[in-house]
Amino acid sequence: GENVEQHPSTLSVQEGDSAVIKCTYSDSASNYFPWYKQELGKRPQLIIDIRSNVGEKKDQRIAVTLNKTAKHFSLHITETQPEDSAVYFCAASKESGYSTLTFGKGTMLLVSP
Amino acid sequence: DSGVTQTPKHLITATGQRVTLRCSPRSGDLSVYWYQQSLDQGLQFLIQYYNGEERAKGNILERFSAQQFPDLHSELNLSSLELGDSALYFCASSVPSGNTIYFGEGSWLTVV
Repeated sequence: GENVEQHPSTLSVQEGDSAVIKCTYSDSASNYFPWYKQELGKRPQLIIDIRSNVGEKKDQRIAVTLNKTAKHFSLHITETQPEDSAVYFCAASKESGYSTLTFGKGTMLLVSP
Repeated sequence: DSGVTQTPKHLITATGQRVTLRCSPRSGDLSVYWYQQSLDQGLQFLIQYYNGEERAKGNILERFSAQQFPDLHSELNLSSLELGDSALYFCASSVPSGNTIYFGEGSWLTVV
């Protein structure tokens, strides 16, 4: 089955800095890669996703890049703000209604004012 | 609000007991997923149902079981509860043709 590794487990940055979280996956057939943000005690919420026919996708201060050859994808957050502090999860699956998402173990991002 | 409804929000019960967690998916979603999140742990996939049928099984203990009913709501049954079962249990749902899953607010289970 699919295995997703996520690094780092914790990341501390100063407000205004950029943050990068990296994930690798094992199944070359995976082609859907979402990122979820989970604030303390809350549900994970989808913030951005990318499919394998795209190398990069941006949404305001958030971007995701995908390298299918190397089987890794990354989340980039620019101009970080304290409200970006949360746990971020990457995930991977095949593009199918029956395919289950496999999540990484999460990265706790702390943005200090 | 994701549209996925979970009840109860909080539950405290004793070891050895049995509880049932309930989930209503978003309107139109046929797939329901159950995840367990323990303290400092990631999202552990338990089980997936699609239109009433079991589709995939993850790290679900034999003491746990689930089902999806004709109206598409799902229940997760946890029996012979142990202290280690204390966790946040999430239900999620997705559209028939897609992978994007939307999580409910979760059910906090505390076993004492």
